[in-house]
Amino acid sequence: SAVISQKPSRDICQRGTSLTIQCQVDSQVTMMFWYRQQPGQSLTLIATANQGSEATYESGFVIDKFPISRPNLTFSTLTVSNMSPEDSSIYLCSVITGSSEKLFFGSGTQLSVL
Amino acid sequence: QKEVEQDPGPLSVPEGAIVSLNCTYSNSAFQYFMWYRQYSRKGPELLMYTYSSGNKEDGRFTAQVDKSSKYISLFIRDSQPSDSATYLCAMSSFNTDKLIFGTGTRLQVFP
Repeated sequence: SAVISQKPSRDICQRGTSLTIQCQVDSQVTMMFWYRQQPGQSLTLIATANQGSEATYESGFVIDKFPISRPNLTFSTLTVSNMSPEDSSIYLCSVITGSSEKLFFGSGTQLSVL
Repeated sequence: QKEVEQDPGPLSVPEGAIVSLNCTYSNSAFQYFMWYRQYSRKGPELLMYTYSSGNKEDGRFTAQVDKSSKYISLFIRDSQPSDSATYLCAMSSFNTDKLIFGTGTRLQVFP
C-alpha cells in the first residue's frame, strides 16, 4: 500500500471562499482520485486526476466548481470553489498503486462551510 | 433503487460476539468486492478484497460473495472494542477505479 497524506485535515470556511486540498503520495502512482463523503451518504467519486492533462469528472461535478491539478505522479490538489454550506463534507484523495487493483485512501479533509 | 444497499446501523454487540455485516446490490456485472473500515475522522482502510464469488478469510475476518443472490457479507469473529468503526462495502464491474460504495454500517462493540 501507499502512504497518502492530505492537508489540511479539517477547515472551517466562509461561504463564497475557496479551499485547496493537497494530496501527497510517498510513491509514484498511475491513478489518483478525489471522493466526497457527505453525512449519511455513500462515498462519491468526484473525478480522476490525470497527470499532465485535465481531470475526468463524474456526472454532477464540474471543473469550475472542483478544479483539480496533478503536476506529477505523486501529488494532486482539489479546490472547492465558491463554497456554500452544501459543500460541507469530507473530501478524500485515493490512489491505485501499481498493479494491485486496490484502492487506498488518504485520511481525508473535513470541510465545514458557514 | 440504489445500486448498492447497506443497512446504516448502528449495530451494537458485546465483545466476543460474531458480527455479520451485509450489502445487497443490483448490478449483476459487479465482480470486484471490497470491504473498508473507517474509524472516526480517518479515511477508509481496505480490509478485504475478493474477486468474483466465494469466501476469503483473513484472521478474524471472513468475506463472502454470493453472486447468484447479489449479496455480500463480512463476518467478524471474536469482536473487539477496537473493531468499533463504520464498515463500507464497495464493488465494481471491470476494474477497481470506479467503485460503487454502500453508505456504511456503524458498528459498536462494547466491553
